Amino acid sequence: EIVLTQSPGTLSLSPGERVTLSCRTSQSISNNFLAWYHQKPGQAPRLLIRGASSRATGIPDRFSGSGSGTDFTLTISRLEPEDFAVYYCQQYGSSPYTFGQGTKLEIK
Amino acid sequence: QVQLVESGGGLVKPGGSLRLSCAASGFTFSDNYMSWIRQAPGRGLEWLAYISTTSGFTKYADSIKGRFTISRDNAKNSLYLQMTSLRVEDTAVYYCARNLVNDYWGQGTLVTVSS
Repeated sequence: EIVLTQSPGTLSLSPGERVTLSCRTSQSISNNFLAWYHQKPGQAPRLLIRGASSRATGIPDRFSGSGSGTDFTLTISRLEPEDFAVYYCQQYGSSPYTFGQGTKLEIK
Repeated sequence: QVQLVESGGGLVKPGGSLRLSCAASGFTFSDNYMSWIRQAPGRGLEWLAYISTTSGFTKYADSIKGRFTISRDNAKNSLYLQMTSLRVEDTAVYYCARNLVNDYWGQGTLVTVSS
C-alpha cells in the first residue's frame, strides 16, 4: 500500500496570500496518477487537480499542481475566502487508491 | 449536469448488514468506472472499492475485503455497496464517486453501526 503524507497538518493564512501544500508518497506514482481535492465543512470533496497537474473542469487557474515520482505540490496563487477548507491528495495509480491525511487551511 | 445521489444509510447493529445505493444521472453511466469512498466522523477520506464499466473488474480496500461487495446495474444507472458483518469502525459517511479519479461525488449517506 502506498502511503501519502501531507504537510503541514494545518496552515493559518490570510486571503490574498500564496500557499503551497505538499504531498509525499512512499513509492513512485505510476503515470503521475495523483489528484488533489478540497472539502468544505458538511460538503463532499471536490476534485481540483488530476494527473498531478491538470485542473479539473471549472477549477480556477489560481490552483496549480506540480510534481512527479514521490513529491507533489498544490499551489494556490492568491487565496480567496472560499479556498479555506481541508485539502487531500490521493494516488490512483496503484490499488488501494490511498488518500493523504489532509491539510487544513484556515483563516488567520 | 452530473448527479450522484446516495441512499440506504442508517443505524445498524454490529454484525448487521446494509445495502447502499447510488443513483447516477447526467452522464453515460455505463461508460464510467465507479467508486465508493467513506469518511468516519471527524476523520479523513478512505477509498473503499471500484468497479469497472461492465462489472468485470473490482478492487477493494483490505479493511472491507470479504465483507463488502460493490456492484452496478447499468440498465438502472445505479451503483451499490452491499455491506455485511458491520463493525462499529464502519461508522462513516459513504460517498459514491465517478471514475478512478473521483471527478464527481455524491453528497454521501451516513451509516452508523452501534448497539
